Amino acid sequence: AQKITQTQPGMFVQEKEAVTLDCTYDTSDPSYGLFWYKQPSSGEMIFLIYQGSYDQQNATEGRYSLNFQKARKSANLVISASQLGDSAMYFCAMREQGYSSASKIIFGSGTRLSIRP
Amino acid sequence: DVKVTQSSRYLVKRTGEKVFLECVQDMDHENMFWYRQDPGLGLRLIYFSYDVKMKEKGDIPEGYSVSREKKERFSLILESASTNQTSMYLCASSWPTISGEKLFFGSGTQLSVL
Repeated sequence: AQKITQTQPGMFVQEKEAVTLDCTYDTSDPSYGLFWYKQPSSGEMIFLIYQGSYDQQNATEGRYSLNFQKARKSANLVISASQLGDSAMYFCAMREQGYSSASKIIFGSGTRLSIRP
Repeated sequence: DVKVTQSSRYLVKRTGEKVFLECVQDMDHENMFWYRQDPGLGLRLIYFSYDVKMKEKGDIPEGYSVSREKKERFSLILESASTNQTSMYLCASSWPTISGEKLFFGSGTQLSVL
């Protein structure tokens, strides 16, 4: 069954350090996509990065990169040079095909990241 | 910019009431989703829709139904609200592109069932 697992409920990181947020997934669909979203205390959901299952290279968006290890079914988010504004809840998500032409997108339980000054 | 609008930011209802949560998107997206967000559980998919009148159950559809009569509007219905349906409800829409798919979220509705 389709599943997303985030094993770190909370993390504390010193400002300017790099941080890795873990995400593992389970799917039987050969075609799928992986996302990361950020949710600050305001509650809005901010798209960070996307990786397709057939993409040969790891996705990068500015300070964000997705460490995609297909054989291990992991899609960890790496934030380089963390900033105070990175303090937020982070969600990993996965898209796979539903029974129809729809894409089913499910989320993990999230990791709360706190950056220390 | 894509706009996904949820009709209410806060809603208080009584047990047993029928509750409608409305969501409208302005970008002609085919796919729309309803999630509920609870602390420690993340976002859980209730229902999703890929076209007018077409819907699929998500992971937690029990106690909910949906309606999509027009492409831009996706409604979540609680037939008989219960206290365990107190939660933050998030609507989203998406459009698949060659570079991937991106979900656009509304600002959420915090529903309290008393």
